[in-house]
Amino acid sequence: GAVVSQHPSWVICKSGTSVKIECRSLDFQATTMFWYRQFPKQSLMLMATSNEGSKATYEQGVEKDKFLINHASLTLSTLTVTSAHPEDSSFYICSARFNTGELFFGEGSRLTVL
Amino acid sequence: AQKVTQAQTEISVVEKEDVTLDCVYETRDTTYYLFWYKQPPSGELVFLIRRNSFDEQNEISGRYSWNFQKSTSSFNFTITASQVVDSAVYFCALRVPYSGAGSYQLTFGKGTKLSVIP
Repeated sequence: GAVVSQHPSWVICKSGTSVKIECRSLDFQATTMFWYRQFPKQSLMLMATSNEGSKATYEQGVEKDKFLINHASLTLSTLTVTSAHPEDSSFYICSARFNTGELFFGEGSRLTVL
Repeated sequence: AQKVTQAQTEISVVEKEDVTLDCVYETRDTTYYLFWYKQPPSGELVFLIRRNSFDEQNEISGRYSWNFQKSTSSFNFTITASQVVDSAVYFCALRVPYSGAGSYQLTFGKGTKLSVIP
């Protein structure tokens, strides 16, 4: 199947710094990518929908200025957690929409903010 | 609004036992898709199956089988002769037509953690 890769898979940062997570579709072009956040023992919550060449659509309650999403090309979307705080520590997962409509998920990125 | 309920938070079975993971969904849409994903300890989500709302045929894939019943809004997942490698969190998800840019938004259940004991 299609492959979606996230980088980094694990990142630790100090409070107040910004962290960028990349999501790449390796063997297909994805006009739409999605960013999810997963808290421990909880389900995945959609944060935003990222469309190539346009602004991301954020879900209610997600701070746009906090979680910057850029989808500059058909194979890359980035999520930047700005001025990260410990409460931002979480597992972030991206997914990309294949041309058949299926979603393929990245491996996830675990963020720990000290 | 859509909702997916996985009432079983954690299940433990002994290897070779059969186990069924329950999934109940809510939607007002008549067209929708249901999914099951597996999330092993490494964290990635692995696609297992997609079923559309017009296809109530049960499906079997190796040791995995799925029972879709629209009458009870359920889409249960059974693993036969479980193995240690089946230990993971399993998510049921629902997808409905969405008018916004995110036309393939998924609503996930909270997941069921399956532990298969050797």
